[in-house]
Amino acid sequence: KAGVTQTPRYLIKTRGQQVTLSCSPISGHRSVSWYQQTPGQGLQFLFEYFSETQRNKGNFPGRFSGRQFSNSRSEMNVSTLELGDSALYLCASRLTGTPNTEAFFGQGTRLTVV
Amino acid sequence: GQQVMQIPQYQHVQEGEDFTTYCNSSTTLSNIQWYKQRPGGHPVFLIQLVKSGEVKKQKRLTFQFGEAKKNSSLHITATQTTDVGTYFCAGPNGQNFVFGPGTRLSVLP
Repeated sequence: KAGVTQTPRYLIKTRGQQVTLSCSPISGHRSVSWYQQTPGQGLQFLFEYFSETQRNKGNFPGRFSGRQFSNSRSEMNVSTLELGDSALYLCASRLTGTPNTEAFFGQGTRLTVV
Repeated sequence: GQQVMQIPQYQHVQEGEDFTTYCNSSTTLSNIQWYKQRPGGHPVFLIQLVKSGEVKKQKRLTFQFGEAKKNSSLHITATQTTDVGTYFCAGPNGQNFVFGPGTRLSVLP
Protein backbone atom coordinates (compact mmCIF):
# COMPACT_ATOMS: atom_id res chain seq x y z
CA LYS A 1 0.00 0.00 0.00
CA ALA A 2 1.48 3.32 -1.04
CA GLY A 3 2.11 5.86 1.70
CA VAL A 4 1.29 9.52 1.77
CA THR A 5 2.88 11.32 -1.16
CA GLN A 6 3.75 14.99 -1.10
CA THR A 7 5.01 16.94 -4.08
CA PRO A 8 7.26 18.65 -4.64
CA ARG A 9 9.82 17.65 -2.02
CA TYR A 10 11.71 20.92 -2.24
CA LEU A 11 10.80 24.41 -3.40
CA ILE A 12 12.56 27.73 -3.53
CA LYS A 13 10.38 30.77 -4.05
CA THR A 14 10.81 34.52 -3.93
CA ARG A 15 9.00 36.81 -1.55
CA GLY A 16 5.66 37.87 -2.94
CA GLN A 17 5.18 34.78 -5.08
CA GLN A 18 2.60 32.13 -4.45
CA VAL A 19 3.01 28.39 -4.12
CA THR A 20 0.85 25.28 -4.33
CA LEU A 21 1.74 22.08 -2.53
CA SER A 22 0.12 18.72 -3.17
CA CYS A 23 -0.67 15.76 -0.94
CA SER A 24 -2.00 12.37 -2.00
CA PRO A 25 -3.25 10.44 1.03
CA ILE A 26 -3.19 6.71 1.51
CA SER A 27 -5.84 5.06 -0.62
CA GLY A 28 -9.13 4.99 1.23
CA HIS A 29 -8.18 7.70 3.71
CA ARG A 30 -10.60 10.60 3.68
CA SER A 31 -9.04 12.97 6.18
CA VAL A 32 -6.07 15.12 5.25
CA SER A 33 -4.43 17.56 7.65
CA TRP A 34 -1.68 20.05 6.94
CA TYR A 35 1.02 21.15 9.35
CA GLN A 36 3.80 23.70 9.24
CA GLN A 37 7.00 22.66 10.99
CA THR A 38 9.70 25.12 11.90
CA PRO A 39 12.61 24.67 14.32
CA GLY A 40 11.26 27.20 16.75
CA GLN A 41 7.52 26.49 16.57
CA GLY A 42 7.24 22.74 16.23
CA LEU A 43 4.26 21.27 14.39
CA GLN A 44 1.62 23.93 13.85
CA PHE A 45 -1.79 22.85 12.57
CA LEU A 46 -2.93 24.61 9.40
CA PHE A 47 -6.21 22.95 8.43
CA GLU A 48 -7.95 19.65 8.01
CA TYR A 49 -10.15 18.41 5.20
CA PHE A 50 -12.59 15.57 5.24
CA SER A 51 -14.66 14.56 2.23
CA GLU A 52 -13.80 17.79 0.40
CA THR A 53 -14.88 19.98 3.34
CA GLN A 54 -12.60 22.02 5.55
CA ARG A 55 -13.53 20.99 9.06
CA ASN A 56 -10.84 22.68 11.12
CA LYS A 57 -8.55 25.61 10.65
CA GLY A 58 -5.53 26.65 12.64
CA ASN A 59 -4.41 30.14 13.52
CA PHE A 60 -2.81 31.12 10.23
CA PRO A 61 -3.49 34.16 8.06
CA GLY A 62 -5.80 34.01 5.08
CA ARG A 63 -2.79 33.74 2.75
CA PHE A 64 -2.84 30.06 3.62
CA SER A 65 -5.64 28.15 1.95
CA GLY A 66 -6.36 24.65 0.86
CA ARG A 67 -8.79 22.32 -0.77
CA GLN A 68 -9.54 18.67 -1.16
CA PHE A 69 -10.68 16.90 -4.27
CA SER A 70 -13.18 14.08 -4.67
CA ASN A 71 -10.33 11.53 -4.76
CA SER A 72 -9.16 12.88 -1.35
CA ARG A 73 -6.02 14.45 -2.78
CA SER A 74 -5.40 17.81 -1.19
CA GLU A 75 -3.60 20.97 -2.12
CA MET A 76 -2.53 23.89 -0.01
CA ASN A 77 -1.74 27.30 -1.39
CA VAL A 78 0.25 30.11 0.10
CA SER A 79 -0.05 33.49 -1.55
CA THR A 80 2.19 36.53 -1.20
CA LEU A 81 5.00 34.52 0.33
CA GLU A 82 6.98 35.96 3.21
CA LEU A 83 10.41 34.94 4.48
CA GLY A 84 8.78 33.55 7.61
CA ASP A 85 6.85 31.03 5.52
CA SER A 86 10.04 29.04 5.03
CA ALA A 87 9.33 25.73 6.67
CA LEU A 88 8.67 22.04 6.22
CA TYR A 89 5.03 21.52 5.27
CA LEU A 90 3.69 18.14 6.26
CA CYS A 91 0.42 16.55 5.40
CA ALA A 92 -1.07 13.67 7.30
CA SER A 93 -3.85 11.33 6.26
CA ARG A 94 -6.19 9.38 8.46
CA LEU A 95 -8.62 6.65 7.57
CA THR A 96 -11.53 8.27 9.34
CA GLY A 97 -12.26 11.73 10.56
CA THR A 98 -12.24 10.76 14.21
CA PRO A 99 -9.35 11.80 16.46
CA ASN A 100 -8.64 8.29 17.69
CA THR A 101 -7.02 7.02 14.53
CA GLU A 102 -3.34 7.26 13.79
CA ALA A 103 -2.05 9.85 11.38
CA PHE A 104 0.25 8.86 8.54
CA PHE A 105 2.58 11.65 7.51
CA GLY A 106 4.11 12.33 4.13
CA GLN A 107 7.78 13.17 3.67
CA GLY A 108 6.93 16.83 3.54
CA THR A 109 7.67 19.71 1.22
CA ARG A 110 10.54 21.92 2.28
CA LEU A 111 9.75 25.46 1.20
CA THR A 112 12.43 28.11 1.21
CA VAL A 113 11.43 31.71 0.60
CA VAL A 114 14.24 34.05 -0.44
CA GLY B 1 -7.42 26.89 23.68
CA GLN B 2 -5.97 23.53 24.49
CA GLN B 3 -2.22 23.41 25.07
CA VAL B 4 0.09 20.43 25.11
CA MET B 5 3.48 20.89 26.69
CA GLN B 6 6.48 18.59 26.74
CA ILE B 7 9.61 18.51 28.84
CA PRO B 8 12.46 18.47 28.43
CA GLN B 9 12.96 20.26 25.14
CA TYR B 10 16.31 18.54 24.59
CA GLN B 11 17.97 15.55 26.17
CA HIS B 12 21.46 14.26 25.58
CA VAL B 13 22.23 10.81 26.91
CA GLN B 14 25.06 8.34 26.70
CA GLU B 15 24.17 5.16 24.88
CA GLY B 16 22.81 2.68 27.39
CA GLU B 17 21.30 5.32 29.66
CA ASP B 18 17.56 5.65 30.17
CA PHE B 19 15.45 8.52 28.83
CA THR B 20 12.06 9.91 29.76
CA THR B 21 9.94 12.62 28.17
CA TYR B 22 6.84 14.05 29.78
CA CYS B 23 3.72 15.42 28.16
CA ASN B 24 1.16 17.63 29.90
CA SER B 25 -2.17 18.87 28.63
CA SER B 26 -4.16 21.84 29.87
CA THR B 27 -7.35 19.79 29.44
CA THR B 28 -8.42 16.20 29.97
CA LEU B 29 -7.70 14.07 26.93
CA SER B 30 -9.83 11.29 25.50
CA ASN B 31 -6.64 9.73 24.18
CA ILE B 32 -3.03 10.59 23.55
CA GLN B 33 -0.74 9.61 20.71
CA TRP B 34 3.04 9.49 20.48
CA TYR B 35 5.09 10.02 17.34
CA LYS B 36 8.79 9.83 16.54
CA GLN B 37 10.53 11.94 13.94
CA ARG B 38 14.04 10.96 12.91
CA PRO B 39 16.38 13.74 11.80
CA GLY B 40 15.42 14.72 8.26
CA GLY B 41 12.36 12.51 8.39
CA HIS B 42 8.67 12.82 9.06
CA PRO B 43 6.67 11.96 12.19
CA VAL B 44 5.82 8.28 12.51
CA PHE B 45 3.08 6.99 14.77
CA LEU B 46 4.28 4.99 17.75
CA ILE B 47 1.27 4.33 19.94
CA GLN B 48 -2.08 5.52 21.23
CA LEU B 49 -3.21 5.43 24.87
CA VAL B 50 -6.88 5.65 25.74
CA LYS B 51 -7.54 4.43 29.27
CA SER B 52 -6.77 6.24 32.50
CA GLY B 53 -3.55 4.87 34.01
CA GLU B 54 -2.84 2.79 30.92
CA VAL B 55 0.68 1.46 30.44
CA LYS B 56 1.88 0.00 27.15
CA LYS B 57 5.26 -1.38 26.21
CA GLN B 58 7.02 -1.68 22.91
CA LYS B 59 10.34 -3.45 23.46
CA ARG B 60 12.45 -0.88 25.31
CA LEU B 61 9.76 1.84 25.15
CA THR B 62 7.18 2.23 27.93
CA PHE B 63 4.25 4.59 27.51
CA GLN B 64 2.03 5.72 30.34
CA PHE B 65 -1.21 7.69 30.47
CA GLY B 66 -1.91 9.53 33.71
CA GLU B 67 -4.81 8.72 35.98
CA ALA B 68 -6.39 12.10 35.31
CA LYS B 69 -5.76 11.72 31.56
CA LYS B 70 -3.95 15.04 31.46
CA ASN B 71 -0.40 13.78 31.27
CA SER B 72 1.64 11.06 29.69
CA SER B 73 5.20 9.83 29.60
CA LEU B 74 7.49 7.90 27.32
CA HIS B 75 10.39 6.05 28.87
CA ILE B 76 13.17 4.41 26.89
CA THR B 77 15.33 1.87 28.67
CA ALA B 78 18.97 1.50 27.68
CA THR B 79 18.94 3.95 24.78
CA GLN B 80 20.56 3.07 21.48
CA THR B 81 21.75 5.31 18.67
CA THR B 82 18.69 4.27 16.69
CA ASP B 83 16.53 6.07 19.28
CA VAL B 84 17.81 9.45 18.11
CA GLY B 85 15.04 11.78 17.02
CA THR B 86 12.28 14.02 18.27
CA TYR B 87 9.41 12.50 20.21
CA PHE B 88 6.04 14.24 20.02
CA CYS B 89 2.90 13.66 21.98
CA ALA B 90 -0.41 14.70 20.48
CA GLY B 91 -3.85 15.12 21.99
CA PRO B 92 -7.24 15.54 20.30
CA ASN B 93 -8.58 19.03 19.80
CA GLY B 94 -12.03 18.67 18.36
CA GLN B 95 -11.65 16.64 15.21
CA ASN B 96 -7.92 17.13 15.02
CA PHE B 97 -4.77 16.95 17.08
CA VAL B 98 -2.59 19.38 18.95
CA PHE B 99 1.05 18.37 18.97
CA GLY B 100 3.41 19.09 21.79
CA PRO B 101 6.65 20.91 20.93
CA GLY B 102 8.57 17.63 21.10
CA THR B 103 11.62 16.39 22.96
CA ARG B 104 14.75 16.05 20.88
CA LEU B 105 16.84 13.08 21.98
CA SER B 106 20.54 12.78 21.20
CA VAL B 107 22.34 9.57 22.00
CA LEU B 108 26.12 9.65 22.27
CA PRO B 109 27.79 6.36 21.34
